[in-house]
Amino acid sequence: QKEVEQNSGPLSVPEGAIASLNCTYSDRVSQSFFWYRQYSGKSPELIMSIYSNGDKEDGRFTAQLNKASQYVSLLIRDSQPSDSATYLCAVNMIGGTSYGKLTFGQGTILTVHP
Amino acid sequence: DAGVIQSPRHEVTEMGQEVTLRCKPISGHDYLFWYRQTMMRGLELLIYFNNNVPIDDSGMPEDRFSAKMPNASFSTLKIQPSEPRDSAVYFCASSPRTGMVNEQFFGPGTRLTVL
Repeated sequence: QKEVEQNSGPLSVPEGAIASLNCTYSDRVSQSFFWYRQYSGKSPELIMSIYSNGDKEDGRFTAQLNKASQYVSLLIRDSQPSDSATYLCAVNMIGGTSYGKLTFGQGTILTVHP
Repeated sequence: DAGVIQSPRHEVTEMGQEVTLRCKPISGHDYLFWYRQTMMRGLELLIYFNNNVPIDDSGMPEDRFSAKMPNASFSTLKIQPSEPRDSAVYFCASSPRTGMVNEQFFGPGTRLTVL
């Protein structure tokens, strides 16, 4: 089992719709969770961080965390063509020498079509 | 503030040559990370440093790879000798120590092609 798994893509949504990106992780003691956006040919860009159960909203983005189910998601409301990118889920596996280390999922390619 | 700086942005070399990638982290950040990204394997952590000390190098693929951080503002990743399978984009990232949340900020990357 992979440590961090994302829903297989690519995901295609029409402009204005809600895009839902999902991620599960294997380490129950993980504490911090991140979503990065990566445009083609560019570096990953941090867009959301969450570390408490529940929802965290920032503009059109909402991150949802459920530690009991080991599940984190990202919702993008009113999707725009400029949201088309690869979205990477990252999990901080804490403890011992792993403090500070992030494990990334494979990424989900999102395409928003006009 | 300047972000993470990497050089060179592109590197083309021949198999067997030595390659050195450079990184300047964001000032004040305690952690520095080296990643490699390929289509097949995604984003992989190679090594990371805390306060210039290597903490976890379990991701370094083999002895041909080495990394150093001689001071808080500079790190290098060296491949010697390089092989075609080392072709990838190499990212450097840095992170402040902010309790539980370890937000990492990535540099623009170095695209390495080994012929």
